[in-house]
Amino acid sequence: EPEVTQTPSHQVTQMGQEVILRCVPISNHLYFYWYRQILGQKVEFLVSFYNNEISEKSEIFDDQFSVERPDGSNFTLKIRSTKLEDSAMYFCASSRDREGFYGYTFGSGTRLTVV
Amino acid sequence: AQTVTQSQPEMSVQEAETVTLSCTYDTSESDYYLFWYKQPPSRQMILVIRQEAYKQQNATENRFSVNFQKAAKSFSLKISDSQLGDAAMYFCAYKPGTYKYIFGTGTRLKVLA
Repeated sequence: EPEVTQTPSHQVTQMGQEVILRCVPISNHLYFYWYRQILGQKVEFLVSFYNNEISEKSEIFDDQFSVERPDGSNFTLKIRSTKLEDSAMYFCASSRDREGFYGYTFGSGTRLTVV
Repeated sequence: AQTVTQSQPEMSVQEAETVTLSCTYDTSESDYYLFWYKQPPSRQMILVIRQEAYKQQNATENRFSVNFQKAAKSFSLKISDSQLGDAAMYFCAYKPGTYKYIFGTGTRLKVLA
């Protein structure tokens, strides 16, 4: 069964530092997403990405965040200057269709801890 | 506003018994998708079952079935013959014609041996 792979599984960073979270989506999927889950809270949408550009983003996805597909296989989320409130589990997902009728395939997440 | 509500933070079920997890949502859209995702301790969210809003027939996937009541905006998940491996956090999700899911807060299911 194809998987979405996320690295690292856990990242600890100092407040104000930049972090890059990495994801390898399923190879024949065209739509990519980042979600986050603050401990004990609901899963929240951050951004969707298709054809090398952002398709949709939430209010959470401000200028501190950026996404990139640098080499045709990786899909990265960068947080430029981390804040304490950025501590969360970050999930990457991919899908083969825009409507997501077949559901998304999620990765196992990166737990980001900002200290 | 589009919201998804899961009113049961935690549920328990005896192994081999049946349990129903509740989900309600609020939307003014007529066409959308609904999903249940399972998040075991491994953290990866796994699709359990999906339902298209324009279909009246309730979706089923082996031991998992839904009770979709469009007028009531209700989408409950029934797990029959519960197994220890069903223990997980279950998220109900609503998806309109955009890219994003709107998730509920989740229900933690415990399966008792």
